[in-house]
Amino acid sequence: QQPVQSPQAVILREGEDAVINCSSSKALYSVHWYRQKHGEAPVFLMILLKGGEQKGHEKISASFNEKKQQSSLYLTASQLSYSGTYFCGTGSGSARQLTFGSGTQLTVLP
Amino acid sequence: DARVTQTPRHKVTEMGQEVTMRCQPILGHNTVFWYRQTMMQGLELLAYFRNRAPLDDSGMPKDRFSAEMPDATLATLKIQPSEPRDSAVYFCASGSSTGTGDANTGELFFGEGSRLTVL
Repeated sequence: QQPVQSPQAVILREGEDAVINCSSSKALYSVHWYRQKHGEAPVFLMILLKGGEQKGHEKISASFNEKKQQSSLYLTASQLSYSGTYFCGTGSGSARQLTFGSGTQLTVLP
Repeated sequence: DARVTQTPRHKVTEMGQEVTMRCQPILGHNTVFWYRQTMMQGLELLAYFRNRAPLDDSGMPKDRFSAEMPDATLATLKIQPSEPRDSAVYFCASGSSTGTGDANTGELFFGEGSRLTVL
């Protein structure tokens, strides 16, 4: 079952902040965040593991609430290069397979 | 520069034909995922392998799709017979599983994808 992302799309100006949310109905062991630019493959941003360990990007942060089965991605002082579709992937199930949400399209305008 | 290699990059075929997509994961990675991406469905998980063993293919239409890993350097996704609704971009991704409990505690590396068009 896919995690649910919100919002579906967001438009902001360079320098503004954005938050993208991800929630799951299943118990989560990990949350991954990826960014995909048009016509390209998804690229890893960050992973949050159960227990609080976080690995990833230096300019983008995220939180992982295990009890609520939710994660949020925080983009501060956005840059034009941040434009793209952001996917959260959640590791759950017996094999902890990675299932992605439907994506959030982020557009940063000059 | 290590990367996941997928072939073909583009494929146009007619309904009913067999299609085989290939993926070479990054050397040393022990997990391989197949995803299908469409505008309507986003990134759908089709199959997942760890140490070449299939662990999950519940997202794959069993009657026409099959996924295998004949060896550690090759994963294949086959569609037979293909249908227009199979038109999509198919991504292969590889990564490392560090333990028996978690499938993936690290980064997934995606290939550039195979764009399939079934007429």
